[in-house]
Amino acid sequence: DTGVSQDPRHKITKRGQNVTFRCDPISEHNRLYWYRQTLGQGPEFLTYFQNEAQLEKSRLLSDRFSAERPKGSFSTLEIQRTEQGDSAMYLCASRKTSGTGELFFGEGSRLTVL
Amino acid sequence: AQSVTQLGSHVSVSEGALVLLRCNYSSSVPPYLFWYVQYPNQGLQLLLKYTTGATLVKGINGFEAEFKKSETSFHLTKPSAHMSDAAEYFCAVSDSFGNQFYFGTGTSLTVIP
Repeated sequence: DTGVSQDPRHKITKRGQNVTFRCDPISEHNRLYWYRQTLGQGPEFLTYFQNEAQLEKSRLLSDRFSAERPKGSFSTLEIQRTEQGDSAMYLCASRKTSGTGELFFGEGSRLTVL
Repeated sequence: AQSVTQLGSHVSVSEGALVLLRCNYSSSVPPYLFWYVQYPNQGLQLLLKYTTGATLVKGINGFEAEFKKSETSFHLTKPSAHMSDAAEYFCAVSDSFGNQFYFGTGTSLTVIP
């Protein structure tokens, strides 16, 4: 069990640029989740996948955000035309579909938009 | 719909004192409940979880929590605080299918030497 891996850990970008984050879940986990966390807040749900299918997407999520999990393994989260309000920690988590499994989190990707 | 309320965004305790972090939830179905801990610039780590069965659950690092359905609570306790317990703690609830997880806003625990 190598854990959930996220890359990059830190990203600084200028407003208007596009950024992409990658998440590699635990290998046998078919559920993958993206969350956003701002300072002093709990994780806020963005979207989740079961295998390659995106099953749910937050209604609060701007159209500038898109996520993929093309082969049911790793996932990418892209933010287009970044805004200063996008500055946050982006957390990826995975779990098995069956049972009462908890989420296993990666260390997060911190985005700073200047 | 599920939601979680954590009372007290900041809690300070002396080293060796009892830790009590409060969590109340709302759920229309029997919930699964979790406590996670987060250290600075890291992801969340599971402390403990309640799914079914015994309502008092024990977790890592000496933490435990009790599910009280009548009070819709899942408070986290530790008999004796250690300096290494200083961190952010999050309570979370999921539905019985585990499709969606909802997190509280967190409680920052400070341990005073």
